[in-house]
Amino acid sequence: EDQVTQSPEALRLQEGESSSLNCSYTVSGLRGLFWYRQDPGKGPEFLFTLYSAGEEKEKERLKATLTKKESFLHITAPKPEDSATYLCAVQDGSGTYKYIFGTGTRLKVLA
Amino acid sequence: KAGVTQTPRYLIKTRGQQVTLSCSPISGHRSVSWYQQTPGQGLQFLFEYFSETQRNKGNFPGRFSGRQFSNSRSEMNVSTLELGDSALYLCASSLEPGGVQPQHFGDGTRLSIL
Repeated sequence: EDQVTQSPEALRLQEGESSSLNCSYTVSGLRGLFWYRQDPGKGPEFLFTLYSAGEEKEKERLKATLTKKESFLHITAPKPEDSATYLCAVQDGSGTYKYIFGTGTRLKVLA
Repeated sequence: KAGVTQTPRYLIKTRGQQVTLSCSPISGHRSVSWYQQTPGQGLQFLFEYFSETQRNKGNFPGRFSGRQFSNSRSEMNVSTLELGDSALYLCASSLEPGGVQPQHFGDGTRLSIL
């Protein structure tokens, strides 16, 4: 069964304290892996698409990487405005092309 | 470019009632998916529509239904509401099924059942 697991569930960082969020997945033929940011009371906001193992994408303080079994979202020198829930999703390649979401990591960056 | 628009933003209903939620996708996007988001379960897939046809369906009871119109706008309906239906309902659009592309989300409809 297709599954996406994110860890940790919650993370508190001091401003400037770099860390990584993990997204591990099992899927029938990965077509793409997506990272989203969700603020309270809002819908998820798209951040990155990763297509194949070894690929990396960067945006400001965020860098996403992909292996055959997991993806990492690295946050370098975070600021309080980076506080949000980060969601990972995979698109399966079985023919349905469904998107399967993890339950997210709640990140809190303290000033 | 306008994003995904969901209406209404908030709804309060009582058990046994029914509700209809609306979603207007990004212009040019023809695939619309619906998700239920709760604190414990995360995003649970409800269904996906493309060209006015349901392509995929999640594991929800028949009380949950949807439809898509010729302009790609979509509605979902929940009948005989239960307390457990309280959630944030999110609509997401993408260009078309099958392509490797992200879904873009609206800000959701917060449904509360009393």
